[in-house]
This record gives sequence, structure tokens and C-alpha cells, in this order.
Amino acid sequence: GENVEQHPSTLSVQEGDSAVIKCTYSDSASNYFPWYKQELGKGPQLIIDIRSNVGEKKDQRIAVTLNKTAKHFSLHITETQPEDSAVYFCAASTDKLIFGTGTRLQVFP
Amino acid sequence: EAQVTQNPRYLITVTGKKLTVTCSQNMNHEYMSWYRQDPGLGLRQIYYSMNVEVTDKGDVPEGYKVSRKEKRNFPLILESPSPNQTSLYFCASSGLAGGRSTDTQYFGPGTRLTVL
Repeated sequence: GENVEQHPSTLSVQEGDSAVIKCTYSDSASNYFPWYKQELGKGPQLIIDIRSNVGEKKDQRIAVTLNKTAKHFSLHITETQPEDSAVYFCAASTDKLIFGTGTRLQVFP
Repeated sequence: EAQVTQNPRYLITVTGKKLTVTCSQNMNHEYMSWYRQDPGLGLRQIYYSMNVEVTDKGDVPEGYKVSRKEKRNFPLILESPSPNQTSLYFCASSGLAGGRSTDTQYFGPGTRLTVL
């Protein structure tokens, strides 16, 4: 079955810097790659997603890239702000979502 | 407002005492799912349902039951809870795309369960 690895498990950055979170997946049939943000005391919320026919997608300060050959996908957050502090989960899907183990991002003012 | 609700939000119980965590969604979604979240393990699927009266095991179903008698509700049942079921539980729902649950999943706020 699908396996998703996510790195790093924790990431600390200064406000205004960029943050990058990386994931790898095992099942080459996976075709949908969402990213979820989980704020303290809340459920995960979708922030961006990408499908396998697209290499990159951007939404304001957030971008996701996909390398199907290497089975890697990454989340890029530019100009980080304290409100970006949260746990981020990647996931990969064929017929169901398999989540990574999460990255705790801390943005220091 | 489109949402997934869970109750209770916090629960402390003792080993062996049956409990039910309710989940309800108001988006007319076919697909509903339960996950547990544990430190270092991410989100793991317990059970899911593609529609009314259709349920199936996820990756960690042992010790749990579910039912889907109505489209909007998907309760999680622990018939004899044990301490290793202490965890943070999330219910989620989504539409179906081509028969697969690849649409955006909407998560509830979570239920923190402690089994003593």
C-alpha cells in the first residue's frame, strides 16, 4: 500500500523567511496530493492541493511542487508570518488519502 | 455554514466502558471517515463509509465499530475501550470524484479521548 514520508518533523524560521516541507510517496499510481494545515485545537484544513498532471501550483504565498519521476512533492511558504505557525500534513491518494506524519512549523517574530 | 461537528470534544473514561463519539456533516457528502492522530504517527484511518449502509475498514480498525444509517451521521463506537485507544480523533467528510474520495476532505474539530 501507499506510504508517505514527511520531513522535517519540526521547522523553526524567522518571520519573513521561507519554509519548505518535503514529502515522498511510494505508490506511483497516486494522483492527488493535498496539504493540510492544523492549528492548535482544530481539525486539519486544506490549504492547497495538486494533481498528478500538474508540476507546480501557487496560491499567494503558498506553492506546491510535484516531481512524479522522483515521487517527491513539496510545500513552499514564502514571507512567513507568525500565523503560519501550525502543524502541516501532506497526503497522497489513489483511492484514499494516506497522510504523512506532520511538520510542526514555528515562525518567530 | 458548511461544517463537520463532533461530540464530545473531550472525554475521559475507564477501561471497558462503552462509548460513542458522534459525527455529523451538513454538506450532503457521500464519503465520511474516522482518523486517529497520535504523536509521530500522523493521521491514520480507522473506518470509512462511501454511502449509507456502506462501511469499510481503514488502516487501524481493531477495537472500533462504526455505522452509517443516515447520510449525515457517522458515529464511532468503542465497545470496550482500552488505554491504547487514548488519542485525538477526527471525523472527516468529502464528496466523491469518480467514485473515489479524492475531493477535499473537511475535518471536524476533534475529540480528545483518554482511557484510564
